[in-house]
Amino acid sequence: GENVEQHPSTLSVQEGDSAVIKCTYSDSASNYFPWYKQELGKGPQLIIDIRSNVGEKKDQRIAVTLNKTAKHFSLHITETQPEDSAVYFCAARATGGGNKLTFGTGTQLKVEL
Amino acid sequence: SAVISQKPSRDICQRGTSLTIQCQVDSQVTMMFWYRQQPGQSLTLIATANQGSEATYESGFVIDKFPISRPNLTFSTLTVSNMSPEDSSIYLCSLGSPNTEAFFGQGTRLTVV
Repeated sequence: GENVEQHPSTLSVQEGDSAVIKCTYSDSASNYFPWYKQELGKGPQLIIDIRSNVGEKKDQRIAVTLNKTAKHFSLHITETQPEDSAVYFCAARATGGGNKLTFGTGTQLKVEL
Repeated sequence: SAVISQKPSRDICQRGTSLTIQCQVDSQVTMMFWYRQQPGQSLTLIATANQGSEATYESGFVIDKFPISRPNLTFSTLTVSNMSPEDSSIYLCSLGSPNTEAFFGQGTRLTVV
């Protein structure tokens, strides 16, 4: 089955700096890669996703890149703000795998003033 | 995007009892899933809720412990049976189809005492 690894487990940055979180996946059939932000006491919020037919996607301060050959994808947050502090999860999904999401282990991002 | 309503949002239950969690979506969706998030951990898929047939369970999860119903394309329930403190987790329902984003409800925070 699919296996998703996520690094780092914790990340501390200064406000205004950039943050990068990286994930690798094992199943070459995976074709959908969402990223979630989870704040304390809340469910995961989808913040951006990318499909395997594109290499990069941007939405304001957030971008995701995908390298299908290397089987890795990354989340980039620019101009970080204190409200970006949360746990971020990457996930992968294969259409042929019952559309199930396999999650990474999460990254605790702390944006310091 | 679809709106997912989960009830209850939280509960404290006595060991040995059962709790049924409801997931209501504001539109018809093909696929619904139930996930568990243990304290400080990532999300793990419990099962795929199939409309009109038995749910498909992942390894380590069984129907007797986590019975699931899905009577129509907008509603599903997950029951956590004969609870023990180890069942204390956040339980989340999710939507997902090949051509749609994967959204989550706000989750049910369960504490078993």
